[in-house]
Amino acid sequence: HVQLVQSGADVKQPGASVKVSCKASGYTLTDNYIHWVRQAPGQRLEWMGWQNSNSGATKFTQTFQGRVTMTADTSMNTAYMELHSLRFDDTAIYYCTRGSGTSLFDYWGQGALVTVSS
Amino acid sequence: QSALTQPASVSGSPGQSITISCTGTSSDIGTYDYVSWYQQHPGKAPTTIIYEVTRRPSGVSYRFSGSKSGNTASLTISGLQAEDEADYYCSSRAIGITYVFGSGTKVTV
Repeated sequence: HVQLVQSGADVKQPGASVKVSCKASGYTLTDNYIHWVRQAPGQRLEWMGWQNSNSGATKFTQTFQGRVTMTADTSMNTAYMELHSLRFDDTAIYYCTRGSGTSLFDYWGQGALVTVSS
Repeated sequence: QSALTQPASVSGSPGQSITISCTGTSSDIGTYDYVSWYQQHPGKAPTTIIYEVTRRPSGVSYRFSGSKSGNTASLTISGLQAEDEADYYCSSRAIGITYVFGSGTKVTV
């Protein structure tokens, strides 16, 4: 039974960094890409990027270039997304989702709320 | 990268069919047959209901169907039910092995 379980809610000050974890179970993390998607309060879904935990390759949308790091601990079957230089408008729910094939996001984490507040 | 364009809201009565459009460009929908649709109930994570334009993941009702023509994709929900009331998002593969989501559509039954 495939599951993605994410870390809990977090509150950060502007300028800080936040690291969200995504623990996979029921399959081997390195067999699939992990994509990260965020959703600001009342707003649309926004694709952030993907990571290949087998090769370490990553790809981000231009919006997050230079501000996001995606890593994995394969021994823990866990992927991580770290967002740096946080701004108030980074307040959002951050989802991880498993990529299957080219375009199917077949399993989603429950989401991790990150609040940026002074 | 700009969001794909969806109508803000669509409504229908139980039993009716509704269609949600998703308009992109030649850099995304127009080039790739990798359009997906997601259903999101309030306070919940999205679930995928259509991928690769027309395919349904295991367990998704046959009442959901997808299509594409040119730069526009569409999701049709037939036999509308109360449980279909949710937000719906499209997404597409885009150039540079990136992805883009739509602006979202609120469906009211």
